[in-house]
Amino acid sequence: AQSVTQLGSHVSVSEGALVLLRCNYSSSVPPYLFWYVQYPNQGLQLLLKYTSAATLVKGINGFEAEFKKSETSFHLTKPSAHMSDAAEYFCAVSGRGSQGNLIFGKGTKLSVKP
Amino acid sequence: DAGITQSPRHKVTETGTPVTLRCHQTENHRYMYWYRQDPGHGLRLIHYSYGVKDTDKGEVSDGYSVSRSKTEDFLLTLESATSSQTSVYFCAISEGLRGANRGRHEQFFGPGTRLTVL
Repeated sequence: AQSVTQLGSHVSVSEGALVLLRCNYSSSVPPYLFWYVQYPNQGLQLLLKYTSAATLVKGINGFEAEFKKSETSFHLTKPSAHMSDAAEYFCAVSGRGSQGNLIFGKGTKLSVKP
Repeated sequence: DAGITQSPRHKVTETGTPVTLRCHQTENHRYMYWYRQDPGHGLRLIHYSYGVKDTDKGEVSDGYSVSRSKTEDFLLTLESATSSQTSVYFCAISEGLRGANRGRHEQFFGPGTRLTVL
């Protein structure tokens, strides 16, 4: 079984500041991990994914995430926030060999202050 | 962008009426999914399909049924809508792989359907 915990339902940063969104997972099989972004009134868009190659994964819009097995974490970071990064972010896990169903965290809403 | 459309995009209906939501894809992907999104709950899987006529239940399947008679279409039906089914519904698709690589591919999401049950 898999589960995802996203710490902090709301995160607020200033423009230009570091963005750190936390995700911890639980999985009984080797996991695949994903970060999605959702802008208001839109569907989810894939930011990046971990599929057991490099542990540091680079995604779109300057985001990256590091898979840390010992900490069961997959935190999302961006060195410098832009106003356009304001959105809701979802971490998700699926299990290797599973049907591919994604288990989502409850989401973190990111606000960026000018 | 993956070719996924959902119809209708918005719907208001009354308690007790049947409702069908449609998801259509042009990617020929094997897997299709229906999720609902509610504040504080993230996305929860309702039903999914791993091929034509092959479907299975997700986490919150009570009150919902699905059908997939063609690769490109996945229908979600609320037989008798209730106010608790007011939500935003998302369809997603995935290539799907077999064996140990299953689960590896990301899902691509449609634009969503906002359903209000009065």
